[in-house]
Amino acid sequence: NAGVTQTPKFQVLKTGQSMTLQCAQDMNHEYMSWYRQDPGMGLRLIHYSVGAGITDQGEVPNGYNVSRSTTEDFPLRLLSAAPSQTSVYFCASSYSGGGYGYTFGSGTRLTVV
Amino acid sequence: SQQGEEDPQALSIQEGENATMNCSYKTSINNLQWYRQNSGRGLVHLILIRSNEREKHSGRLRVTLDTSKKSSSLLITASRAADTASYFCATGPQVMDSSYKLIFGSGTRLLVRP
Repeated sequence: NAGVTQTPKFQVLKTGQSMTLQCAQDMNHEYMSWYRQDPGMGLRLIHYSVGAGITDQGEVPNGYNVSRSTTEDFPLRLLSAAPSQTSVYFCASSYSGGGYGYTFGSGTRLTVV
Repeated sequence: SQQGEEDPQALSIQEGENATMNCSYKTSINNLQWYRQNSGRGLVHLILIRSNEREKHSGRLRVTLDTSKKSSSLLITASRAADTASYFCATGPQVMDSSYKLIFGSGTRLLVRP
């Protein structure tokens, strides 16, 4: 059971480049979310999904795009990378219905130069 | 703005002592959760307490919830060096909110000295 798998683990982008951070889970979780964590801070919610075909914005959605075509995958797209998007990105998933903890991936460390 | 705020921001204790971390939040919640993050790693779910519960235990962990004060505490008893990590509280969906937006606080950094 792999849990939540994020790729890549590390990435360096130039300002203006675009890329997709991959997230896949094999637990049949309906809920999936993307968070970013900046040094010494907690996690801020970027986008989330309550099921295939359903996504919504979190606290800091600007500059990011998501889609959820399958239950398993929830990719995060950076449209035009900016230095302010340098961060560690975490994907997480959970069963639906509330009352369940999230399972987190190991993170993607992104640097935008 | 973040929903949960932990206190203290940093805590240093001796191995064997108890560690207490507090979390305050602003709006109504369905549940409150605590997570641990070791340096450079992902978060690990520790315990979840529902809004109609007042106390919950899991091994050496004890969580309390006071919805009237919008606060929670996490107690780690008989701490070990391996408990050194950052601890985050996170609040579950608001009452009447059908979406699942888990909102995190800024965390408490715990150092357990051998």
